Amino acid sequence: DTEVTQTPKHLVMGMTNKKSLKCEQHMGHRAMYWYKQKAKKPPELMFVYSYEKLSINESVPSRFSPECPNSSLLNLHLHALQPEDSALYLCASSQGGFSSPSGNTIYFGEGSWLTVV
Amino acid sequence: KQEVTQIPAALSVPEGENLVLNCSFTDSAIYNLQWFRQDPGKGLTSLLLIQSSQREQTSGRLNASLDKSSGRSTLYIAASQPGDSATYLCAVMDMDSNYQLIWGAGTKLIIKP
Repeated sequence: DTEVTQTPKHLVMGMTNKKSLKCEQHMGHRAMYWYKQKAKKPPELMFVYSYEKLSINESVPSRFSPECPNSSLLNLHLHALQPEDSALYLCASSQGGFSSPSGNTIYFGEGSWLTVV
Repeated sequence: KQEVTQIPAALSVPEGENLVLNCSFTDSAIYNLQWFRQDPGKGLTSLLLIQSSQREQTSGRLNASLDKSSGRSTLYIAASQPGDSATYLCAVMDMDSNYQLIWGAGTKLIIKP
């Protein structure tokens, strides 16, 4: 099973709303990632959790708040977003965290389409 | 700073042809290179990962090669099918960028029936 599951698949939210994106994997992977992808562009890294600790925050605005409750779950809390934050948000995971990068196949979920109105 | 380039940006070929997608990178200090496919409106599917010590990997009709000295990787697709139509992205895990993936812009592949 190489599945990363993301919910919801689609989300429309107003600029004053608070919502969350959820991600789950049961492959025993110890690194989990959030990426943002705009149309016809490659994904942009937002956050990396390695062994449930936030390892990388790519200068993402504080209106995006990640959370890793346990080794299988990753959340992205959204608050006071702007229309330009509308994008496909992708969750990913890989096996070894940063201790074994060479063989680290990264598996992506199907993504959550976010529209901010 | 690592840069990854994919040429061509788009490719249209008749069904049944063998084809090659290209990926080049500027710095050979990489841990690995990974090929992904993305269908319209969908997430990314990992196709093949080549570690820096490897020269090629194969999965079914796909074969990916890596030549670190020349900064190149190719993805060979044999006997192409309409279901292979998608955008193909390559990404390198760079030793100098804190284990981040550095992405190419992708090649949009259309296989005509």
